[in-house]
Formats: sequence, C-alpha cells, structure tokens
Amino acid sequence: GAVVSQHPSRVICKSGTSVKIECRSLDFQATTMFWYRQFPKQSLMLMATSNEGSKATYEQGVEKDKFLINHASLTLSTLTVTSAHPEDSSFYICSARLRGRGTTDTQYFGPGTRLTVL
Amino acid sequence: GNSVTQMEGPVTLSEEAFLTINCTYTATGYPSLFWYVQYPGEGLQLLLKATKADDKGSNKGFEATYRKETTSFHLEKGSVQVSDSAVYFCALSAPSGTYKYIFGTGTRLKVLA
Repeated sequence: GAVVSQHPSRVICKSGTSVKIECRSLDFQATTMFWYRQFPKQSLMLMATSNEGSKATYEQGVEKDKFLINHASLTLSTLTVTSAHPEDSSFYICSARLRGRGTTDTQYFGPGTRLTVL
Repeated sequence: GNSVTQMEGPVTLSEEAFLTINCTYTATGYPSLFWYVQYPGEGLQLLLKATKADDKGSNKGFEATYRKETTSFHLEKGSVQVSDSAVYFCALSAPSGTYKYIFGTGTRLKVLA
C-alpha cells in the first residue's frame, strides 16, 4: 500500500513553454502533498506544501507564480512550471502524507519527474 | 532550528561487509526519524522509521535506533549486498504540526562484488 505515482516520468520541453506534472496517491487519500526539487547528487529541497482545497504554502525563495500548485482532490496534486527556462531543468519529486491516521507524519514519495528544458 | 547531519560519502564497501551510516539531528521537541533510500533515477523509498526515543526501526536487514541522549539515528546493516548500492537519506519530521521533513545531505553507498 501507500503508492504514489507521478506523470510524466520524463519530459523535454522548449524554453518558454509550460509543463504540468501530476502526483497521485493510488491507494490512499492524502491530506497533504509536498513538492521537492533535487539537483544532481544533492539532497531534496522542499518547494511547497499542498493541502487539498487550499492554497499551497511555498518555501522561502520559491516563486509561486513560476511553480503553480493545484491540489484538486485528496488523491491528486499538480505542479505546473510556467514559462520554463533551462535553469528549471531538474528532478521534481512529490510526496504524500496519509489522511485519517491521526498524527502520522510518514511521507510516501513518487518516483520523480525528470524535466529538461532546451 | 531543526537540522540533520549525515556522514559524507561516498562509502565503498565489499559485499558482506558491515555498514554504518551516521546521522545526528537537532530538533526542538520530539521529532520522528526516518531513513529513505534512493536508487538511481528513482524517487525515495521509505526504509525504516522510529517515532520515539529507544524505538528501533528495521527493514530488509537494516536497523536504526532512536537515541535521544546522543540525538542520533545511525543506520546499520550486518552484511551488505551489491543491490544495496544507492543513496541513503536521513530525515526528521519536525514536531511543529506542518509535517515537513528536514533531510540530511544523503550518503552514497557503493557495494563491490
């Protein structure tokens, strides 16, 4: 159980276009989803926290107009990279926290999306 | 503030060797502690966790004990395999109600046959 999927797994786009990444919890309802960015051989950097039905909370230094997050349901969150540029190329990973398990704080991670902006 | 310090890698071991990856933390209150593993090109998989002092998390031969007195959560395995080659991340969940994780920098493990 506790499977999180991401789509697409890999995307290549031209500079100036927008890219949408989906994150789904497949067999559980997620109270909260998180979006991370990972640079090569580095740790994960939290970009934003997404709660169903409310606006995402962005970490300091993350442009909310650049990285649009929508948490449409308890099983789906999307990250849209708007007007992408080569410096946005990265590995984007989402995670989800189970709903209805009291104060459980375990996050389950998706497999990641490799974004390359040409 | 909250932080996680992990030993720097890479760590290179021969198959069947004993593994220790050190992790210490700083936190207010009583965080939950986690070890995640990341294989090349993939997301993170939960390896084990502990939610209170003296708890021992274990999975697939890996173990880690929540030591409050030394603020540590070292990862150990008695006999590593080539398939254990991956990057290992220590993380804490701050007891602030936000459920955010603080990650260590990750330790790359390479096991040679």
